[in-house]
Amino acid sequence: EVQLVQSGAEVKKPGESLKISCKGSGYSFTSYWIGWVRQMPGKGLEWMGIIYPGDSDTRYSPSFQGQVTISADKSISTAYLQWSSLKAPDTAVYYCARHLVVGAVAAPFDYWGQGTLVTVSS
Amino acid sequence: QSALTQPASVSGSPGQSITISCTGTSSDVGGYNYVSWYQQHPGKAPKLMIYDVSNRPSGVSNRFSGSKSGNTASLTISGLQAEDEADYYCSSYTSSRTWVFGGGTKLTVL
Repeated sequence: EVQLVQSGAEVKKPGESLKISCKGSGYSFTSYWIGWVRQMPGKGLEWMGIIYPGDSDTRYSPSFQGQVTISADKSISTAYLQWSSLKAPDTAVYYCARHLVVGAVAAPFDYWGQGTLVTVSS
Repeated sequence: QSALTQPASVSGSPGQSITISCTGTSSDVGGYNYVSWYQQHPGKAPKLMIYDVSNRPSGVSNRFSGSKSGNTASLTISGLQAEDEADYYCSSYTSSRTWVFGGGTKLTVL
């Protein structure tokens, strides 16, 4: 069974750093693109970026380029989303999700993690 | 890269059909047959309902169908049921080799 299990909720102060995780199981982690989606409180879904764990090829939305870093450790089948300096508007639920088709970047997300709530407040 | 345009809300009565539109540009919706639709219930992760414009993943009801004409894609739900009440998002592959979501549509079943 394919599963994506995300790390737990975080409460941080502005300016702090953070790295949240998404552990994949039940499939070949290195063969599927995996990405991150932001959902701010009461708002819609925003595509942030994706990574191919097989070779760490990474794509970012222009809106998030330079604001976050997406990485993966294939030895432990885990993808990461990190911030070096959080801001209050980063408060949101962040979902990881896996692409439907092996190796295909032009494929939708089929399996999703449960979401990680990040709260940034002074 | 702007979000795709969806109506903020649509509504219908049980048993009726509704259609949600998703308008982009020739650099996304119009340029590729890689349009997907997701359903999201409150507090839950999104669920893939349609991919590659009109394909349904295994387990998704055939009451859900998708189509595209030019720069506009559409999701049609026939035989509306109470459980269909949710937010729906379209998504498209883009010429920048990234993806973009629509702003979302809240479906109310009256």
